[in-house]
Amino acid sequence: DTGVSQNPRHKITKRGQNVTFRCDPISEHNRLYWYRQTLGQGPEFLTYFQNEAQLEKSRLLSDRFSAERPKGSFSTLEIQRTEQGDSAMYLCASSLATSGRYNEQFFGPGTRLTVL
Amino acid sequence: TQLLEQSPQFLSIQEGENLTVYCNSSSVFSSLQWYRQEPGEGPVLLVTVVTGGEVKKLKRLTFQFGDARKDSSLHITAAQPGDTGLYLCAGFSGGGADGLTFGKGTHLIIQP
Repeated sequence: DTGVSQNPRHKITKRGQNVTFRCDPISEHNRLYWYRQTLGQGPEFLTYFQNEAQLEKSRLLSDRFSAERPKGSFSTLEIQRTEQGDSAMYLCASSLATSGRYNEQFFGPGTRLTVL
Repeated sequence: TQLLEQSPQFLSIQEGENLTVYCNSSSVFSSLQWYRQEPGEGPVLLVTVVTGGEVKKLKRLTFQFGDARKDSSLHITAAQPGDTGLYLCAGFSGGGADGLTFGKGTHLIIQP
């Protein structure tokens, strides 16, 4: 299967600990996105990369959050000093940059984070 | 801030009935996508609409983009239990803002 993959699928941590999630996009896709989804809500945009460059960050991305895509392939999202409010599903998506009005993003299965 | 309002939030109907889900905004979008999401999984792309007034069909699902590219609808004919899920609309603005703006979704339950 050549879809978007995310690891781990589930993560339980204690408040104050650091966590890191990984996303492997569809191989030929040059854009990679991170979203967060809380219960009863649609996904909310956090940040995106084109190749290795981080081009956009949402105001939702506090200083405790950092994302990298060092070689323009996989990406990691780290949350430092986790808080209970960080509990959510973290979704990764990828797309192939094209001109015009298309931006079809394909999502991975997500990482469910629970902060105790 | 762009918002997408989806209605209804919850819908439970019997197998075989028809239904329509709406996605509305005061903002213009370059394109709009519909996703379906199962519990504990990521959203799965169903369709992308780009042109105002565009209609796309995917088997029993019909998607329409409003003439002004501010709203969209999803119509399901003869709903089946396998259609059960969370339906999300997401707008793409373009112009350098690449993140999708999602609605809160419509929780659809089709009872056998």
